[in-house]
Amino acid sequence: DQQVKQNSPSLSVQEGRISILNCDYTNSMFDYFLWYKKYPAEGPTFLISISSIKDKNEDGRFTVFLNKSAKHLSLHIVPSQPGDSAVYFCAASGGTNAGKSTFGDGTTLTVKP
Amino acid sequence: NAGVTQTPKFQVLKTGQSMTLQCAQDMNHNSMYWYRQDPGMGLRLIYYSASEGTTDKGEVPNGYNVSRLNKREFSLRLESAAPSQTSVYFCASSFGKAGRYEQYFGPGTRLTVT
Repeated sequence: DQQVKQNSPSLSVQEGRISILNCDYTNSMFDYFLWYKKYPAEGPTFLISISSIKDKNEDGRFTVFLNKSAKHLSLHIVPSQPGDSAVYFCAASGGTNAGKSTFGDGTTLTVKP
Repeated sequence: NAGVTQTPKFQVLKTGQSMTLQCAQDMNHNSMYWYRQDPGMGLRLIYYSASEGTTDKGEVPNGYNVSRLNKREFSLRLESAAPSQTSVYFCASSFGKAGRYEQYFGPGTRLTVT
């Protein structure tokens, strides 16, 4: 049973527009969430995180929203830039998984100039 | 500051051969991790070490062993490689528990088992 799901394998947006990447989770014990970005042939890099005590966290062009009742989080990138083209992974932790993160399968974002 | 380094970058093994993947970090992090990533899938945790001297199984530990050699180094060993172990392997480290601290990843080792 996959506990963290990113249901859209890919997303294509125009430069300057908003990118919205979604992530759903099933484990109600998860209380900390992170987003990572991965370029080809490189390791993932941390982007932004959010604790379950918050419903929003912002860092520059990146904002993560958390809806605990729906067990859903989303990453908004505004405005999108071609350099944002990468695979984005959602990760979650908490409960018996407090010491480690469970990752989704990733969403490939393509930002067209 | 090199961050997290992994060797080798690429490796081809025959079924049944053994090898050790090396990982080192220079950020004085306490926790280290080994993941594998298969095509179209996320990162699956193989083993982790919450602190020097401890190791624990992750989601997919079968066929692997690990050694936390010291605070800096965490190696992953395949005793008898199988084609199902063809994957990209990432080592990561974090200051504290991965669930509460971001992880820093190495560039990966691309392993092919024929």
